[in-house]
Amino acid sequence: AQTVTQSQPEMSVQEAETVTLSCTYDTSESDYYLFWYKQPPSRQMILVIRQEAYKQQNATENRFSVNFQKAAKSFSLKISDSQLGDAAMYFCAPKGEYGNKLVFGAGTILRVKS
Amino acid sequence: DVKVTQSSRYLVKRTGEKVFLECVQDMDHENMFWYRQDPGLGLRLIYFSYDVKMKEKGDIPEGYSVSREKKERFSLILESASTNQTSMYLCASRAGGAGELFFGEGSRLTVL
Repeated sequence: AQTVTQSQPEMSVQEAETVTLSCTYDTSESDYYLFWYKQPPSRQMILVIRQEAYKQQNATENRFSVNFQKAAKSFSLKISDSQLGDAAMYFCAPKGEYGNKLVFGAGTILRVKS
Repeated sequence: DVKVTQSSRYLVKRTGEKVFLECVQDMDHENMFWYRQDPGLGLRLIYFSYDVKMKEKGDIPEGYSVSREKKERFSLILESASTNQTSMYLCASRAGGAGELFFGEGSRLTVL
């Protein structure tokens, strides 16, 4: 069974600065996918970024990038040039190559200060 | 614009009542999911469905049942609501494989 740990219940960042949210997971599968989802206050959860475990190159989507370390089972999210709209709860979620289940971490609340 | 629509944003029910939470998606996705979100616990999977009339238990199915009579609609049923089922319920859908999950806005249920 997969488990996910997000060790930072809350983080704060100054607007325009960089912040890193951490995620570690445990899985027995060799091939899997990793996701970061964002849940803004009172709004729908949306996908931020996705990483395939077989790819060595870290995924990047505009200001969002990941530091994926497969051996350490670590999947952190870096947000550069933070904006007020980045304030949200962020969830890390691995998914096995087969099957339908994503396992979500407990989430990290990100606050952005102006 | 793709959409997952949950029928009620806020519900207040009494202990013992039967509760229906409805979810409709317009993306022709095979897979649909019901999650429960509680502070400090993240999202926990209650049930999912990979086809019409097909369902599988998630991690916390006790006290819940589901129905999927049509591809676009996935209902969560609380046969006899209890106070420990007070929570935020999130519906999601996905095409096959490792595609993106699309979420509804959530239904916040309070059981008194």
